[in-house]
Amino acid sequence: DVKVTQSSRYLVKRTGEKVFLECVQDMDHENMFWYRQDPGLGLRLIYFSYDVKMKEKGDIPEGYSVSREKKERFSLILESASTNQTSMYLCASSFRLVADTQYFGPGTRLTVL
Amino acid sequence: ELKVEQNPLFLSMQEGKNYTIYCNYSTTSDRLYWYRQDPGKSLESLFVLLSNGAVKQEGRLMASLDTKARLSTLHITAAVHDLSATYFCAVDIASSGSARQLTFGSGTQLTVLP
Repeated sequence: DVKVTQSSRYLVKRTGEKVFLECVQDMDHENMFWYRQDPGLGLRLIYFSYDVKMKEKGDIPEGYSVSREKKERFSLILESASTNQTSMYLCASSFRLVADTQYFGPGTRLTVL
Repeated sequence: ELKVEQNPLFLSMQEGKNYTIYCNYSTTSDRLYWYRQDPGKSLESLFVLLSNGAVKQEGRLMASLDTKARLSTLHITAAVHDLSATYFCAVDIASSGSARQLTFGSGTQLTVLP
């Protein structure tokens, strides 16, 4: 079974703090993705990576950065958290070049006070 | 910019009834995915539709894809309470670096009533 894990299920941070969300997958997938999910808006892609040290902006990258130093790990960084970044964050992974589904982690519910 | 629209956004239905969820998208694509999300849980893959006319069925759910109409449907037959969840469609478009990017609809929250 594909397993995608995220470092925290719930996180509470203060405005201006630097926040790290970590995602690890165990299926040797090339592609990894970060989404945020907000009511009524579905999932919106923040960043994705198709290889180690490679990253591409998604639809809403402002206020976020990412890091992929190892194939299995993809980190989302909020340099200076703001209240409008309160959301559910979902990580996903998939095989490259294959019309394969994305496998999602359990999500991190981030609250910024 | 690719837009993916689902309707309805909210659906209450009686057990035993049939209904269809629609997913329209605005640009050419021949790959479409359906996911299910239970409250407080992550997304679970239901179907992958890879060509025009593709039809997939699993239990009481059947998904189809019409790429010419840019439309996918998720049909529910004889609904049961266990099908209560939020259903998302997602359209696949190629991105740089060969990673395929998904654009999601807003989701359809389905409640099946006894």
